[in-house]
Amino acid sequence: EIVLTQSPGTLSLSPGERATLSCRASETVTANYLAWYQQKPGQAPRLLIHTASRRATGIPDRFSGSGSGTDFTLTISRLEPEDFALYFCQQYDRSPFAFGGGTKVELK
Amino acid sequence: QLQLQESGPRLVKPSETLSLTCTVSPGFITSYYWTWIRQPPGKGLEWIGRGHYSGKTDFYPSLKSRVTMSVDISKNQISLKVRSVTAADTATYYCARELGYLDLWGQGMLVTVSS
Repeated sequence: EIVLTQSPGTLSLSPGERATLSCRASETVTANYLAWYQQKPGQAPRLLIHTASRRATGIPDRFSGSGSGTDFTLTISRLEPEDFALYFCQQYDRSPFAFGGGTKVELK
Repeated sequence: QLQLQESGPRLVKPSETLSLTCTVSPGFITSYYWTWIRQPPGKGLEWIGRGHYSGKTDFYPSLKSRVTMSVDISKNQISLKVRSVTAADTATYYCARELGYLDLWGQGMLVTVSS
């Protein structure tokens, strides 16, 4: 089983700042089968990024994904008020397609 | 446009079976894998498993002995059953369309296990 570890657990930032979220896998994720999701309170998660760096339909270009192998990063270039939320990574290389524990981006 | 909607009892007694249904817009159910995910209150996302109309299923190892999943083409529904539930099974349950990643999600449904 591939275990995903997200860091930091919480990121305290101000609007306009850059957010860098990390997702580290216990084994190599082949073909960059790594996705990122955003979840706001009371809502279902929303797909942001798949295949490590491909933005989903309708996702603003301030969101970008990078990385390969075991280390992946989600970057929000300039935080907007609506970006303060929970973020999860998920690998879909090998079953079980588990999620990371999440990073909360909160208002400083 | 594809939509997903979870339904079922919101309260289940300990040791009983939790049964949920995900209804999918007509015309889509045979084309994809469908995934169930849950989220205990205040916690992270847990991948439960995935299923296909062909009968292929795949579950998280620690849940495999208690979970079944099936796809009913005639009703455009994906079902999930979790047997012998405990308070630890209290969570919001989501169904989602799988393209490897999960691109479309239902709104989710909170199920509470309590006597």
